Amino acid sequence: ETGVTQTPRHLVMGMTNKKSLKCEQHLGHNAMYWYKQSAKKPLELMFVYSLEERVENNSVPSRFSPECPNSSHLFLHLHTLQPEDSALYLCASSQDRRSRDEKLFFGSGTQLSVL
Amino acid sequence: AQTVTQSQPEMSVQEAETVTLSCTYDTSESDYYLFWYKQPPSRQMILVIRQEAYKQQNATENRFSVNFQKAAKSFSLKISDSQLGDAAMYFCAYRTVTSNSGYALNFGKGTSLLVTP
Repeated sequence: ETGVTQTPRHLVMGMTNKKSLKCEQHLGHNAMYWYKQSAKKPLELMFVYSLEERVENNSVPSRFSPECPNSSHLFLHLHTLQPEDSALYLCASSQDRRSRDEKLFFGSGTQLSVL
Repeated sequence: AQTVTQSQPEMSVQEAETVTLSCTYDTSESDYYLFWYKQPPSRQMILVIRQEAYKQQNATENRFSVNFQKAAKSFSLKISDSQLGDAAMYFCAYRTVTSNSGYALNFGKGTSLLVTP
């Protein structure tokens, strides 16, 4: 148990569906992240939130919509996804994203399959 | 942008033996942090070890140690006395400055480590 919990663990959705991924951290951290992990590719940073404010958006398509209602919760809302969006979506948190000694704590991810 | 290269997609080691996973990176910075993360079948990424470039001494954490060659921009991970539980994907990562003056981790593609009895 690392203190970062992601639900659901697995998700299968059609291209016309709308679903949401949830992440919760119990570590008292101020920054939260969404990463996408595709097969045989490096982890891709999608979004960064610091103190509930979105501070990074790495050219992610608008069919991915993040939400951070408070410093402990992070959502990724999905709609009209494409099959190439199938991947493992990892949530992470850190004490302070401006720290030089930044250590990320990860959840176990949501394995998403888009049919 | 800083890039991280892991040239070994897969490695295999026998239990109790030693294995070294390689990582190279590209940067123009003089001070930075490097990390090794482990991702077992449970999918949870776990920090194994980290190294500050300013420190010349190689970091060690129990059976895990690094060989940090700053001039060569090389950051290899050595696992001694390998155990079955070490089987996992291993990712090398570089802490980079993002466009909004924060920090984020740039990851390599990973090395899959198989440990055989």
